[in-house]
Amino acid sequence: EIVLTQSPGTLSLSPGERATLSCRASQSVSSNYLAWYQQKPGQAPRVLIYDASSRATGIPDRFSGSGSGTDFTLTISGLEPEDFAVYYCQQYGSSPLYTFGQGTKLEIK
Amino acid sequence: EVQLVESGGGLVRPGGSLRLSCEASESIFSHAWMSWVRQAPGKGLEWVGRSLSKAAGGATDYAAPVKGRFTISRDESKNTLYLQMSSLKIEDTAVYYCSWHTIDRTFNIWGRGTLVTVSS
Repeated sequence: EIVLTQSPGTLSLSPGERATLSCRASQSVSSNYLAWYQQKPGQAPRVLIYDASSRATGIPDRFSGSGSGTDFTLTISGLEPEDFAVYYCQQYGSSPLYTFGQGTKLEIK
Repeated sequence: EVQLVESGGGLVRPGGSLRLSCEASESIFSHAWMSWVRQAPGKGLEWVGRSLSKAAGGATDYAAPVKGRFTISRDESKNTLYLQMSSLKIEDTAVYYCSWHTIDRTFNIWGRGTLVTVSS
């Protein structure tokens, strides 16, 4: 069973700074089918990035994804106030079909 | 954009059953691959199960913790996806979201969720 481990658990930054979030898989992610989601309190998640580096429709270009194999990164350049939220990575293809990481909370410093 | 609205959540005793519904604002279920995802209070996201469209074979897949207890079905005439839950356990307490895979590997469109509480 594939396990996704996100780090750090909490990231404290100020608006305007750059955020780097990590997602490490216990085994190689099939075809780099790795996605990133943003979730704000009381809301459903929203997809930001899919296939490791493709931005979803309507997502600002300050969000970018990179990585392959077992190591993936979500970068947010120039944090806006609305970016402070919880971020999850998710893989597709290995057992179980879909797996999420445990999340990284991005909080205002 | 297509809207998904879940309903049917509530309080249920351990061992009980509940059926959740997910209604779409447009007719998508003839071709849509759909999943249920849950989130226990204060916890992360957990995939529950997936339903393929009839055109793709109509198969369903489930996560190990719910296999044999939960069943996903759909009624295309009502634009509705269902999650039948039985033999409920306290650890099934969560907000349940339905989601549309417009790309098979990604949860692209989400509903707002419905809360299921399993408690005696």
